[in-house]
Amino acid sequence: SQKIEQNSEALNIQEGKTATLTCNYTNYSPAYLQWYRQDPGRGPVFLLLIRENEKEKRKERLKVTFDTTLKQSLFHITASQPADSATYLCALDIDGNNRLAFGKGNQVVVIP
Amino acid sequence: NAGVTQTPKFQVLKTGQSMTLQCAQDMNHNSMYWYRQDPGMGLRLIYYSASEGTTDKGEVPNGYNVSRLNKREFSLRLESAAPSQTSVYFCASSEESGGPNEQFFGPGTRLTVL
Repeated sequence: SQKIEQNSEALNIQEGKTATLTCNYTNYSPAYLQWYRQDPGRGPVFLLLIRENEKEKRKERLKVTFDTTLKQSLFHITASQPADSATYLCALDIDGNNRLAFGKGNQVVVIP
Repeated sequence: NAGVTQTPKFQVLKTGQSMTLQCAQDMNHNSMYWYRQDPGMGLRLIYYSASEGTTDKGEVPNGYNVSRLNKREFSLRLESAAPSQTSVYFCASSEESGGPNEQFFGPGTRLTVL
């Protein structure tokens, strides 16, 4: 069956350190993958998109990698700040038509 | 520029009642989506509309109907609400359906069915 797995345990990290989140998937062949941020009681907000032929994408303190052989994406927040505390969602394109399948999300708590 | 707006923000229904969740976007996007989000589960696609005049089922369409009223508006209807439909509902839009496009989400509707 198709699965998207993100760590269910919250990641507690000290301010200034790098937070790394993992998204693993099975039985999908996504042409691209997206990461979203969701704050409590709010809708998700788009952060980054990476295509299958791209190894790495950066935006300010965020970095995403995409390994189609391992079927895995890593999401990094460098120099983390308390304002980065949120839940981060991984989303895969399932048919090339922008229909997305989402992981359950991984909560990050940045401790001052 | 309000982005994606949803009404109502909160709703409580009794089993068997019907209601329509409203969604509108002011970004001139072609594609719109309805998701539900339950505790411990990822967002799941209910229905989507690739363009005005078209709608298609997503992963969990049973118990729902949709209407793409015009390019701006995409509504979700529960004809006979069931407790299993207690959830947070998000509407989203994107510029196009083909190819990679970020999705813009509304603030959500929190629905409780008693």
